[in-house]
Amino acid sequence: AQSVTQLDSHVSVSEGTPVLLRCNYSSSYSPSLFWYVQHPNKGLQLLLKYTSAATLVKGINGFEAEFKKSETSFHLTKPSAHMSDAAEYFCVVRDYSGNTPLVFGKGTRLSVIA
Amino acid sequence: DGGITQSPKYLFRKEGQNVTLSCEQNLNHDAMYWYRQDPGQGLRLIYYSQIVNDFQKGDIAEGYSVSREKKESFPLTVTSAQKNPTAFYLCASSQTLLADISYEQYFGPGTRLTVT
Repeated sequence: AQSVTQLDSHVSVSEGTPVLLRCNYSSSYSPSLFWYVQHPNKGLQLLLKYTSAATLVKGINGFEAEFKKSETSFHLTKPSAHMSDAAEYFCVVRDYSGNTPLVFGKGTRLSVIA
Repeated sequence: DGGITQSPKYLFRKEGQNVTLSCEQNLNHDAMYWYRQDPGQGLRLIYYSQIVNDFQKGDIAEGYSVSREKKESFPLTVTSAQKNPTAFYLCASSQTLLADISYEQYFGPGTRLTVT
């Protein structure tokens, strides 16, 4: 069965400094992996996805993530945080192990300090 | 302008009443989903549907019911049997469910339900 663990429930950074949100996954097959962002009281928006092509995936708003099979990780990064990046971020996994739709991590809340 | 609409944005109900949350999509997606979100718990799957007139229970289906009579619509009813219905409810859709695991889900703006 697939599962995903977001290692930090809350991350706080200063504006202009790098962002790192950590995600580890478990999958019996070659998975697809996604990062979503959610601003307060809003729906989720796709940031980026990995689907067995390039291991370094670029997304919207300057975010990128690297798929590392040996470490079963899919960490999200951004070189320079902006105030508008403050939100909840979800790491998500999907594989062929069943009819299960996406499996979500519990989320990481990113705070950006001016 | 394609997307998913959920209405209403805020909903208030008295305990013991059933309530139906609306979800409509014009993306021509086959699959639709309902999630419940509580603080610190991420998203939990309530029901999903791969095709019209078919749906499956997710992880927390007790106290909820759905229907899928049209491709575009997937309403969720929160029944009086749901012990703790106050939450943020999100509807989503995707092109398909089984054939390709690369398809992402598209989310609506959510409905915040408060039951007192």
